[in-house]
Amino acid sequence: IVMTQSPATLSVSPGERATLSCRASQSIRSSLAWYQQEPGQAPRLLIYDASTRATDIPARFSGSGSGTEFTLTISSLQSEDFAIYYCQHYHNWPLSFGGGTKVESK
Amino acid sequence: EVHLVESGGGLVQPGRSLRLSCSASGFAFGAYAVTWVRQAPGKGLEWVALIRGNAYSRTTEYAASVKGRFTISRDDSKSSAYLQMDSLKTEDTAVYYCVRGIPDVIGYFFDNWGQGTLVTVSS
Repeated sequence: IVMTQSPATLSVSPGERATLSCRASQSIRSSLAWYQQEPGQAPRLLIYDASTRATDIPARFSGSGSGTEFTLTISSLQSEDFAIYYCQHYHNWPLSFGGGTKVESK
Repeated sequence: EVHLVESGGGLVQPGRSLRLSCSASGFAFGAYAVTWVRQAPGKGLEWVALIRGNAYSRTTEYAASVKGRFTISRDDSKSSAYLQMDSLKTEDTAVYYCVRGIPDVIGYFFDNWGQGTLVTVSS
């Protein structure tokens, strides 16, 4: 299964809404996770099962979608949210990640 | 608190071997899957290998790019996992992360990540 993320780069002002997309090459039901990676840091789990926030993840992060189309929304961007975001399917083997979306400050 | 610490990275020549270690603490290690995810310099994330927990007989899965060259293993008595990397290629150069896996129906997602260890394959 190939995971495709868009856009590659998203320029957003602090306080604005950011919408990131992830598409699977075939249906993965809701077996999708989102991760955030800040510069020089390890990734961090944000969302699993397409829409369930992981422990201690702020409510401004939300996930939606099923099948082949998924969205990560950051409702009001904070300074610490400028990072790279990856989606990952876990529907079958091999597991795979999308290429990432970099969210940068406008 | 869940903690995963990788070690064993370094500079190695193409064709040689290297063994990475992952030391875990803060959770019932044997009950969880452990996976290795790598990230080449300036690139995205690539899943490498996974070993299931004791309830699933510690079975393993590999990415096609490393199958037959890499071997994942674990020693639950030491709360440790390992990645034996043989016949290394320059394209194996990456930061290697040790990650705890949470099972779904078939696959896994990853809820706790180590800080990574850099492997550089170069002559």
